[in-house]
Amino acid sequence: ELKVEQNPLFLSMQEGKNYTIYCNYSTTSDRLYWYRQDPGKSLESLFVLLSNGAVKQEGRLMASLDTKARLSTLHITAAVHDLSATYFCAASFQTSYDKVIFGPGTSLSVIP
Amino acid sequence: DAEITQSPRHKITETGRQVTLACHQTWNHNNMFWYRQDLGHGLRLIHYSYGVQDTNKGEVSDGYSVSRSNTEDLPLTLESAASSQTSVYFCASSEGGGSTGELFFGEGSRLTVL
Repeated sequence: ELKVEQNPLFLSMQEGKNYTIYCNYSTTSDRLYWYRQDPGKSLESLFVLLSNGAVKQEGRLMASLDTKARLSTLHITAAVHDLSATYFCAASFQTSYDKVIFGPGTSLSVIP
Repeated sequence: DAEITQSPRHKITETGRQVTLACHQTWNHNNMFWYRQDLGHGLRLIHYSYGVQDTNKGEVSDGYSVSRSNTEDLPLTLESAASSQTSVYFCASSEGGGSTGELFFGEGSRLTVL
C-alpha cells in the first residue's frame, strides 16, 4: 500500500528565511507531485517530478526527487508572505501511475 | 479554456438522504477521480475511473458510488448520507494513456450532513 508522509505538518517561518519540506513515500514510485492550496480554494499543480534526480524550480520554490531514498523535498528560498499556503506532495503507484495518493499537507505561514 | 466544474459548490443535507455531486470536465481526459479533504488527513481517494464504463474503489469508498457513462462526467453518489461524510469533495482529472499523471482539480463541493 502506498503511503505518503510529510514533515513538518505545520511551519511558521520569517520572511527572507530558507526552509525545506520533506516528503517520504512507502513503496516504489518514480512519480512525485507537489500541489499548493490556498485557504478555501482548490489545488494548483506546482511540480511534476518523473525520474530519479529530477529537479525543478519555479521562483522561490525548488523541488527534487530521490527515488532510491523514496524522498522528495520542496525547498523555499527567501520566503515571502505570498507563499503562505498548504503544500501537498503526492505520489503514484509504479504499477498504476494514474492513481495518485496524497500526503497530509504542510501548512506554511510566512510572517514578517 | 478547458476546465473541470463541480456542482453544487455547497450543500446541506440530512442523515439518510441520497446526495449526488456532479463533476464535468472539458479536458477530454480519460481519468477522473473523487477525493475528500478533511483536516489532518489531506486528500483521500474515494473512487476513480480510467475511462467510460470503468470505475474503481479508492481508500475510502464505503458509502459512495460512481458511474462513468461518458468521458466528461463522473457523478459521486452518497447512497445514505452520514454525518461522517461531512467534508469537502474534490473532483480531478488527468490525461491518462501514459502521460505524466498530473491532476487538474475542480473548485470543490462542501457537503454538510446534519
